[in-house]
Amino acid sequence: QPVLTQSPSASASLGASVKLTCTLSSGHSSYAIAWHQLQPEKGPRFLMKIYTDGSHTRGDGIPNRFSGSSSGAERSLTISSLQSDDEADYYCQTWATGIQVFGGGTRLTVL
Amino acid sequence: QLRLQESGSGLVRPSQTLSLTCAVSGGSISSGDYSWSWIRQPPGKGLEWIGYISQSGSTSYNPSLKSRVTISGDRSKKQFSLKLRSATAADTAVYYCARVFRVWYFDLWGRGSLVTVSS
Repeated sequence: QPVLTQSPSASASLGASVKLTCTLSSGHSSYAIAWHQLQPEKGPRFLMKIYTDGSHTRGDGIPNRFSGSSSGAERSLTISSLQSDDEADYYCQTWATGIQVFGGGTRLTVL
Repeated sequence: QLRLQESGSGLVRPSQTLSLTCAVSGGSISSGDYSWSWIRQPPGKGLEWIGYISQSGSTSYNPSLKSRVTISGDRSKKQFSLKLRSATAADTAVYYCARVFRVWYFDLWGRGSLVTVSS
């Protein structure tokens, strides 16, 4: 089954951009993934699905400040014009037959 | 607008069964494109997929929990449920229900329900 690897933490300044990366394990570099945002006191939110070619589909109401890209086994989420409300945990997720897999999550701090 | 709401006991005794229900409102639970899933997050840890139930009623579970988990659905009540038997302190977590597009990705989440396993 696929394994997803994320950096535990990231930080960037208010108004800047940040790129969060999720790496698929060997043999699974063709998999699509999804990104989810978890904020304290709020329910998780689906952000987007990213395909192997880098095309992506955002969830309902997700602003275009959130964009996705793909390179080899890496699937990345870029957040531009960072706002304080973007401070959250971000998880990538993928799927195989009969199973769902999450990455370990990245905690984003907005400075 | 479709919404998911978890409910159930917030405190479970060790060795007892953890039970949660997810109510679906504002839309249909019977769309062929969607399955329905449970995910949890233990304190200070990441997300863990528990399992899902498809439109046909077939289920798929995380192998690490499979022996203790049952997910069932009730279309007439527009809800689906989780039962986790023989609970231990390691099952203490925030439990989320979610809609799964086909059997691919979670595109809608509930707000979560904290369940503590303790005597």
